Amino acid sequence: DAEITQSPRHKITETGRQVTLACHQTWNHNNMFWYRQDLGHGLRLIHYSYGVQDTNKGEVSDGYSVSRSNTEDLPLTLESAASSQTSVYFCASSLKTSNEQFFGPGTRLTVL
Amino acid sequence: AQSVTQPDIHITVSEGASLELRCNYSYGATPYLFWYVQSPGQGLQLLLKYFSGDTLVQGIKGFEAEFKRSQSSFNLRKPSVHWSDAAEYFCAVGSSNTGKLIFGQGTTLQVKP
Repeated sequence: DAEITQSPRHKITETGRQVTLACHQTWNHNNMFWYRQDLGHGLRLIHYSYGVQDTNKGEVSDGYSVSRSNTEDLPLTLESAASSQTSVYFCASSLKTSNEQFFGPGTRLTVL
Repeated sequence: AQSVTQPDIHITVSEGASLELRCNYSYGATPYLFWYVQSPGQGLQLLLKYFSGDTLVQGIKGFEAEFKRSQSSFNLRKPSVHWSDAAEYFCAVGSSNTGKLIFGQGTTLQVKP
């Protein structure tokens, strides 16, 4: 079955380190999204992509970057991790902008 | 500004009782509307969606929602709650042009036996 996976599921890192969170989908969806989930804020959009070589900033993009070199993957990089980036991160994908999004299981990141 | 408000942070209902979770939105164009459910430690699962047409939408697990344009609302309902419905519920509004979603803060549902 087609699916969307995230790795690692849990990560502990130190302030200042570079961290990359992986997202892989096998639906051949054009659109991919990264969100962070924090208490009291719901999910907030970090970055998104409409296809290979396309990336766009979302609502809370500072300190994060993404790259899209193929259809299946959209890795999220924290250039220099900060404690404020401790959160649960969700990746999602959709076939078209007019379709619903399907979510991965999430990555819980702790920055000490 | 575009936004989604879920007025109830926590709701507790007895098993077998009816449920209504509220969602209000502020959006300039005709919105696409969604309800997602998140069980502890899990990702988000789509319950139902409204794109156009009939304003009463049926979803999975016995849930339904009604789009009321005049009230800018998209409330989620279930006639009889089961213990397995305990989870966090998110309302979201989206654009068919950009595909981006704006989420509400979520409502945590607790079900009493």
